Parts: sequence; structure tokens; C-alpha cells
Amino acid sequence: DAGITQSPRHKVTETGTPVTLRCHQTENHRYMYWYRQDPGHGLRLIHYSYGVKDTDKGEVSDGYSVSRSKTEDFLLTLESATSSQTSVYFCAISPGTSYEQFFGPGTRLTVL
Amino acid sequence: ELKVEQNPLFLSMQEGKNYTIYCNYSTTSDRLYWYRQDPGKSLESLFVLLSNGAVKQEGRLMASLDTKARLSTLHITAAVHDLSATYFCAVEGWEYGNKLVFGAGTILRVKS
Repeated sequence: DAGITQSPRHKVTETGTPVTLRCHQTENHRYMYWYRQDPGHGLRLIHYSYGVKDTDKGEVSDGYSVSRSKTEDFLLTLESATSSQTSVYFCAISPGTSYEQFFGPGTRLTVL
Repeated sequence: ELKVEQNPLFLSMQEGKNYTIYCNYSTTSDRLYWYRQDPGKSLESLFVLLSNGAVKQEGRLMASLDTKARLSTLHITAAVHDLSATYFCAVEGWEYGNKLVFGAGTILRVKS
């Protein structure tokens, strides 16, 4: 298995609170991604990174920010969580484009 | 906008039967990926298809790509219960920065 961990694995929080999810890899892959998974939508890209301090928006980036200060860590922050951000969040990594992405175990986030 | 459509979205089949899952996409691409997800788990890479006419097989699953028709198929031969899972196709659109766009997923249930 690709060396990807996500923390926390489960979190329940209240509307309006900030939340940070962490993705950590041991593969030294250049690309890292954050997706959310909701029933009927498959996976949708939130943000991605193509190197340290190099990030870009995905399809559903509103309300989310990211940071990557080290190759191995990619942080996803919900500045002020809303109930619509209740979802399962997956981190993925890949060595480059035209390569398969390897997914982390996921974080289940509930915003009350 | 790159759209990826899978059908059927739900498939219930008997053990021993054959069936095909279809993945249609809306833009030029020759990069397509199939993933499997078991309930409550992460995504596992099944196949990477990187050119027109590509065919990959693993056990009872065979995937193919027709870039001219913008269609990929995942064929299941002599289904067994262990194949029960959700299957996703994902298309890499070069004009979208080589990001992946996922289909909604096909839930497969194999009944014994």
C-alpha cells in the first residue's frame, strides 16, 4: 500500500468552527490532491498541489484552503465549517500526470 | 466542462453471469482510470488505460478504452460475490490541467 495517512479519521464539529485535515505521505510523490465524496457525485476535486507551496483550485474549492510547506504534508482547512461540508474527504498522491493516483484511508467529517 | 457518465449506477447480478459497466466522457482524452471501492473503505486502483484501444485484464475484470467513441467499458466475466463493490471510472482531461474527473460510480451487488 502507498504510504498515505490522513488525520483525523473521524471528526464531528459545529457550524462556524475552523477545521484542518492533514494528509501525510512517505512516497515523496510530487502531486497531492484533496477530494470530497458525496453520494451520487463520485469524487470531486477540492484542491491539489504540484509541489511545495504550489497549489491550485479544483472543481469545488469554495470554503476550503490548502497549504503545502513540505513535500510530505498537505493540509486542508475549512475556515468556517458549514453543514454542506459534511462529507468523506480523501487525500490522493501521484508521481505525476498520466499516473494513477493512490488514495488515503479517508476522513469522515460531520458538521452539526 | 468535462463530464463523465457511468451506467448503470446500480447493478445487481447473479453469480456466474457476465455484465458490462460503461463510462462515457465528453471531451478528448486518452487517459482513463478504473477504481474499486469497498463499503467504508478507500479507493483501490484497478486499471490504467493510456491509449486508444488499450485493453487490460485482471482476473474476472477486463477494461478497454475507445478514445474515438469517448467510451470505456469494464467487463465482468462469471461474477463472484467478492466482486461486490462500487466501481468508478475517472478521466484525465488535458485541457483541465490533467486533473481527474470521476464518474458517479456503479454499485455492483453479486448475489449467490
